[in-house]
Amino acid sequence: AQRVTQPEKLLSVFKGAPVELKCNYSYSGSPELFWYVQYSRQRLQLLLRHISRESIKGFTADLNKGETSFHLKKPFAQEEDSAMYYCALPAGSGSARQLTFGSGTQLTVLP
Amino acid sequence: NAGVTQTPKFRVLKTGQSMTLLCAQDMNHEYMYWYRQDPGMGLRLIHYSVGEGTTAKGEVPDGYNVSRLKKQNFLLGLESAAPSQTSVYFCASSNFAGVVSRQFFGPGTRLTVL
Repeated sequence: AQRVTQPEKLLSVFKGAPVELKCNYSYSGSPELFWYVQYSRQRLQLLLRHISRESIKGFTADLNKGETSFHLKKPFAQEEDSAMYYCALPAGSGSARQLTFGSGTQLTVLP
Repeated sequence: NAGVTQTPKFRVLKTGQSMTLLCAQDMNHEYMYWYRQDPGMGLRLIHYSVGEGTTAKGEVPDGYNVSRLKKQNFLLGLESAAPSQTSVYFCASSNFAGVVSRQFFGPGTRLTVL
């Protein structure tokens, strides 16, 4: 079964420090992975998807099929990056439009 | 465009009461979803719909029913609320485009069952 694991429930870093939010997955086939973010009192929104290979708000994520990981990285964290981050992947080949979400990592960037 | 809207924003129920959560989207999306968000468990899919008149069960469907009578609306019903259904409920929608499409989320409904 498809599974997403985010091992860190809470992560705190200081402003200007690098940050890495971990995501590991189990999936048969070539996955399409996403990172969603939820800022305080805001709705969940897409941060980035690996198929786009883009950088949003300074964040990047590389799909590592060997390690089955899709870690989210930013070289210099900002206070406005404090939020809940969810990694997600398709729920199955027969229902490709569903997403399975990880349990989330609450990132706090300290001043 | 309002995007995805949810009604109500907050609700408190007593055990055994019923209620309906309304989700509406104005993006002409085919797919709609209901999730619940609980601390330490992320988002879990309750039910989803791949088009008007269709619904399907997700990961945690027990105790919930849904209907998609109109393309733009997706209703989530609790027939007999239980304290275990205390949660934040999110609705989402997506396009019929590509293998997996970006999902757009509503603002959430915070439900407390006493």
